[in-house]
Amino acid sequence: KAGVTQTPRYLIKTRGQQVTLSCSPISGHRSVSWYQQTPGQGLQFLFEYFSETQRNKGNFPGRFSGRQFSNSRSEMNVSTLELGDSALYLCASSLGRGGLNEQFFGPGTRLTVL
Amino acid sequence: AQTVTQSQPEMSVQEAETVTLSCTYDTSESDYYLFWYKQPPSRQMILVIRQEAYKQQNATENRFSVNFQKAAKSFSLKISDSQLGDAAMYFCAYTRSTSYGKLTFGQGTILTVHP
Repeated sequence: KAGVTQTPRYLIKTRGQQVTLSCSPISGHRSVSWYQQTPGQGLQFLFEYFSETQRNKGNFPGRFSGRQFSNSRSEMNVSTLELGDSALYLCASSLGRGGLNEQFFGPGTRLTVL
Repeated sequence: AQTVTQSQPEMSVQEAETVTLSCTYDTSESDYYLFWYKQPPSRQMILVIRQEAYKQQNATENRFSVNFQKAAKSFSLKISDSQLGDAAMYFCAYTRSTSYGKLTFGQGTILTVHP
């Protein structure tokens, strides 16, 4: 069974632009979570989608948004990029919801904002 | 708010030896789960081991085991017979049973394994 895939793997943008990142979960997984990883702040939860609805949200500004499609694939969008948005963005999928459901992580998208 | 603290930014161990990584957490919840994730240089996060708070027995997965002290809110990871492939960043993580999809991570511990 294929793992979680994220595209693109690397991205370079300039301040003020917007970006869309994509995540394809493991087949059959319905929950997708997004995390931002930076050297200064570590790993921080962005949001979680389940059955095409955002079910949980972290403490990020409204510039960060996402969506989930009927096939469980998810996209994350960041508008009006700032230098501080440079990070590794990880998505994780799980079969169901609830703490015991293991989250399987993708390889991440490295975003650099110039 | 729940917090997870890893007080050891870096640790090192000789191959075949044993090393223990520390983690403490703060929560007022009684129903939660704890995890250790490994992130090698490839950046692919891999689940190493997990512990349900309601279980008193410490979890074990092959060479990896935990020491879960619920009253002290401590959750350490012991790696026995360390191998070169164990070199990675290790993250301790917490989630409430109702924090769907949300893991709260510690700052991580970089583990170096010397041959």
